[in-house]
Amino acid sequence: QKEVEQDPGPLSVPEGAIVSLNCTYSNSAFQYFMWYRQYSRKGPELLMYTYSSGNKEDGRFTAQVDKSSKYISLFIRDSQPSDSATYLCAMTPGRQGAQKLVFGQGTRLTINP
Amino acid sequence: DTAVSQTPKYLVTQMGNDKSIKCEQNLGHDTMYWYKQDSKKFLKIMFSYNNKELIINETVPNRFSPKSPDKAHLNLHINSLELGDSAVYFCASSQDGNGGIDYEQYFGPGTRLTVT
Repeated sequence: QKEVEQDPGPLSVPEGAIVSLNCTYSNSAFQYFMWYRQYSRKGPELLMYTYSSGNKEDGRFTAQVDKSSKYISLFIRDSQPSDSATYLCAMTPGRQGAQKLVFGQGTRLTINP
Repeated sequence: DTAVSQTPKYLVTQMGNDKSIKCEQNLGHDTMYWYKQDSKKFLKIMFSYNNKELIINETVPNRFSPKSPDKAHLNLHINSLELGDSAVYFCASSQDGNGGIDYEQYFGPGTRLTVT
């Protein structure tokens, strides 16, 4: 079993839809949770991060962490064609001390106009 | 102005050859990384350097050797290339003042390596 599981998709939705992307994990030591967005043929870029459990909102994006269920989500409201990309979740036990980021496989998302 | 740059962008070579990929960051970050992304998009860390010191060395064949001449550069040399080395290799950097891993990592554009 991988430390971080993410459905690779592909996921295709119409413009304006609400998108839900999810990851599950097995390591209870993870404390920092990130979502990276990767456009085709580009490097990943950090979209959002959350520390421990709870919600965080940034414009049309909301990140949720449920540590009791070891489950994290990214919601995209009013999705746009420019949101079409691969979304990778990532997590790490802590901010300090040579601890690596563990990435999910990434979910490929297409928003259709 | 490119923050993290890699050269070359594409690399096609034959099995058994030796090749290098160069990475430079102009963000003033302390920590740099090499990642490998396979055909299924799994992104896995290979190495991490903090201020020219190796701090993470995952289970990577000895044929892969990173070199950090200064904290703005991290190069990757690969000996005796194999078919399974075909992947996209990403360099990344982050700001960390305490020698650890920072969650906000800035990635380069990637080097697409194809071994034939």
